[in-house]
Amino acid sequence: AQSVTQPDIHITVSEGASLELRCNYSYGATPYLFWYVQSPGQGLQLLLKYFSGDTLVQGIKGFEAEFKRSQSSFNLRKPSVHWSDAAEYFCAVVGNTGFQKLVFGTGTRLLVSP
Amino acid sequence: ETGVTQTPRHLVMGMTNKKSLKCEQHLGHNAMYWYKQSAKKPLELMFVYNFKEQTENNSVPSRFSPECPNSSHLFLHLHTLQPEDSALYLCASSPRTGDEAFFGQGTRLTVV
Repeated sequence: AQSVTQPDIHITVSEGASLELRCNYSYGATPYLFWYVQSPGQGLQLLLKYFSGDTLVQGIKGFEAEFKRSQSSFNLRKPSVHWSDAAEYFCAVVGNTGFQKLVFGTGTRLLVSP
Repeated sequence: ETGVTQTPRHLVMGMTNKKSLKCEQHLGHNAMYWYKQSAKKPLELMFVYNFKEQTENNSVPSRFSPECPNSSHLFLHLHTLQPEDSALYLCASSPRTGDEAFFGQGTRLTVV
């Protein structure tokens, strides 16, 4: 079965600094990969997704993520963080064979300092 | 606005009450989901419906009873809940299982 690991529970970044949130997955083949963001008290919003093709995917709000098969990773990046990016970020994976359901990581809470 | 609407946004209920959560989507999606989000725990998938048929029940206690009368609506009926059931309940839909999911804003449930 597929699984997702987000090793960082909290990350604090200064406004204007770059950001990288880590995500590692476990799955026998190439999965479909997603990053979602959740603001307090809200549902989850899709930032970007990877299905196939170019391993560097662009998302909304200036985010990008790179799929690295050799490292089983799908890290999320942003070159310059804004205070409004403070939220919780979830990586998710779905297998592309058999019964497909989204499996989420435990999330990384991003704090942005002035 | 994702196109998935959940009501109510907040609910406080006693352990002997019966209440229902409602989820509605008009995105033309065929798969709908209930997730539970508790503090310091991963998102837990509770139920999956595909073309109105329940395809997954992740060992959810029977005090949670889902209903999917059509592909646009999903309910979660609640009865005799426990305080540990207090959580954010999220509904989501996708064109089919395995596609990107669109989430509602959730219902914050407090059991007293």
